[in-house]
Amino acid sequence: AQSVAQPEDQVNVAEGNPLTVKCTYSVSGNPYLFWYVQYPNRGLQFLLKYITGDNLVKGSYGFEAEFNKSQTSFHLKKPSALVSDSALYFCAVRVLSGNTPLVFGKGTRLSVIA
Amino acid sequence: SQTIHQWPATLVQPVGSPLSLECTVEGTSNPNLYWYRQAAGRGLQLLFYSVGIGQISSEVPQNLSASRPQDRQFILSSKKLLLSDSGFYLCAWSVLRGSTDTQYFGPGTRLTVL
Repeated sequence: AQSVAQPEDQVNVAEGNPLTVKCTYSVSGNPYLFWYVQYPNRGLQFLLKYITGDNLVKGSYGFEAEFNKSQTSFHLKKPSALVSDSALYFCAVRVLSGNTPLVFGKGTRLSVIA
Repeated sequence: SQTIHQWPATLVQPVGSPLSLECTVEGTSNPNLYWYRQAAGRGLQLLFYSVGIGQISSEVPQNLSASRPQDRQFILSSKKLLLSDSGFYLCAWSVLRGSTDTQYFGPGTRLTVL
């Protein structure tokens, strides 16, 4: 079975500091990994995905994520946090055929403090 | 470009009343469609997904059902709502036929059952 874990329910960071939101995965094949962001009372917005190739993936709004196969991790990062980055972040994985839905983590709430 | 619509945006219903939530996708054909429920602003629970007209996969036994009467229309229904059906309902679509395709989400429907 495939699964993702987001070990932190909440991450607090000061504006201008780097941020990291953690994600680890468990799959029995090659993982395809995704990050989404959700603002209050909104649907999820796609940020970035890792398919193959370069382990560092760049996405929307200055976010990037690093795929680490040995640590089975796909942490989301941003060099300098903004107050507007405060939101709920979801990691997701798929390894089976394309007709299977993504499996999502429980989400991490990011608060950026001015 | 593709867009996804959900309505209504908010809904307050009494216990025991019926439910019908609608999701439509524009700008694509033969999409995969998904219904998720999010409780208390946290994790996503996959309810149903569909790979074609009349093809519905149910992920969890519950008080809800789904139908896909047209290629780009996905409907979530209930005959009698329970208090536990309250939540934020999200529809999503994906279009490619491979493990790498991205799911895109609609704006959601906030359902409160009283």
